[in-house]
Amino acid sequence: DAGVIQSPRHEVTEMGQEVTLRCKPISGHNSLFWYRQTMMRGLELLIYFNNNVPIDDSGMPEDRFSAKMPNASFSTLKIQPSEPRDSAVYFCASTPTRTSTDTQYFGPGTRLTVL
Amino acid sequence: GQQVMQIPQYQHVQEGEDFTTYCNSSTTLSNIQWYKQRPGGHPVFLIQLVKSGEVKKQKRLTFQFGEAKKNSSLHITATQTTDVGTYFCAGANTGGFKTIFGAGTRLFVKA
Repeated sequence: DAGVIQSPRHEVTEMGQEVTLRCKPISGHNSLFWYRQTMMRGLELLIYFNNNVPIDDSGMPEDRFSAKMPNASFSTLKIQPSEPRDSAVYFCASTPTRTSTDTQYFGPGTRLTVL
Repeated sequence: GQQVMQIPQYQHVQEGEDFTTYCNSSTTLSNIQWYKQRPGGHPVFLIQLVKSGEVKKQKRLTFQFGEAKKNSSLHITATQTTDVGTYFCAGANTGGFKTIFGAGTRLFVKA
């Protein structure tokens, strides 16, 4: 059974460019999370969805970040315009239930570098 | 708001030595989870504790949940090089709707 799938695995872009990260959760899972991980700030929850609906986006750093989940099998995290301080590893995770306190299954992550 | 503090930040041990990481919450938790992230990898779920005073074991790993459900620990007996990585605790508030991750403890094991 496939786990959480993320693409691309690595992304290098220049400041000011738009970046779109993609995530396919585990089939049948009801909740999806986007995290950002850096050495300085650790693992930060950006936003989470339940049944495709954004429930908590309080972790989204600013208006340059947006996330969508058009259906149960796909989500995107977009940064426009990107800045060097956005460089991090972005993880997507999903849980099988509607509660966000259940076991989270993480994808392999996207390593973003903004020059 | 809810905070989950984890110590130490780093730990260097000689292979065969024991290792413990501690997790403390500012509020009572409904459950606590532990994850391991290998260098260059992603967090992988290890275990979940729910009951006050609960103790669970996985081979050389022992997990404890405090009586007040505000703290937890992970103890590794006789570390091996395969134990290298960052160990995260993640706690959920009683009646809360999201899990907060601690900063993690990075374990280095010298052969």
